[in-house]
Amino acid sequence: QQQVKQSPQSLIVQKGGISIINCAYENTAFDYFPWYQQFPGKGPALLIAIRPDVSEKKEGRFTISFNKSAKQFSLHIMDSQPGDSATYFCAASISNFGNEKLTFGTGTRLTIIP
Amino acid sequence: DGGITQSPKYLFRKEGQNVTLSCEQNLNHDAMYWYRQDPGQGLRLIYYSQIVNDFQKGDIAEGYSVSREKKESFPLTVTSAQKNPTAFYLCASSIGGFGNQPQHFGDGTRLSIL
Repeated sequence: QQQVKQSPQSLIVQKGGISIINCAYENTAFDYFPWYQQFPGKGPALLIAIRPDVSEKKEGRFTISFNKSAKQFSLHIMDSQPGDSATYFCAASISNFGNEKLTFGTGTRLTIIP
Repeated sequence: DGGITQSPKYLFRKEGQNVTLSCEQNLNHDAMYWYRQDPGQGLRLIYYSQIVNDFQKGDIAEGYSVSREKKESFPLTVTSAQKNPTAFYLCASSIGGFGNQPQHFGDGTRLSIL
């Protein structure tokens, strides 16, 4: 059972454009939603995270939008650059003590073209 | 520099052979994780450990075994019972305790069958 569904599987965006990746979750107990960025041959690294008590979080060119009623959240990359080309994973977890497990989406391969 | 070291970077396994992947961290983290990454399937949890001498099965534990004798080390053995072991294996760690702690990843081991 896939608890976090991510789309699209791949995305091509022109330099300077907006990249948008979407995720939907099923488990209403999830209350922490991070995004990880992975470059080829490397492990993922935390990019940005959000909790459901806010609808949006922005860090530089990266923004997470969160819709609790729809059980959806998305990553927006503004002014996309070739250096943003990577695979992006959304994830979800329950932040209670003893629940360290993350459930990951299937990933989106983003390519920024000049 | 604090971080997670995975070795080897590439590993080849013969049919019927067990192989062990190394994961060492110097972040003083309590929790450690092993993930398997296959194209289009995201990161799937194999095993995780919340504390020394304790570990739990993840979503795809069959054909794998782990040990956690030291806080710094969490080796993964891919046994001959794992019929499709070709994948990219990622080790991660976190402070532990709560699900909203960032996970720090190593740069992975790519396992192939000879």
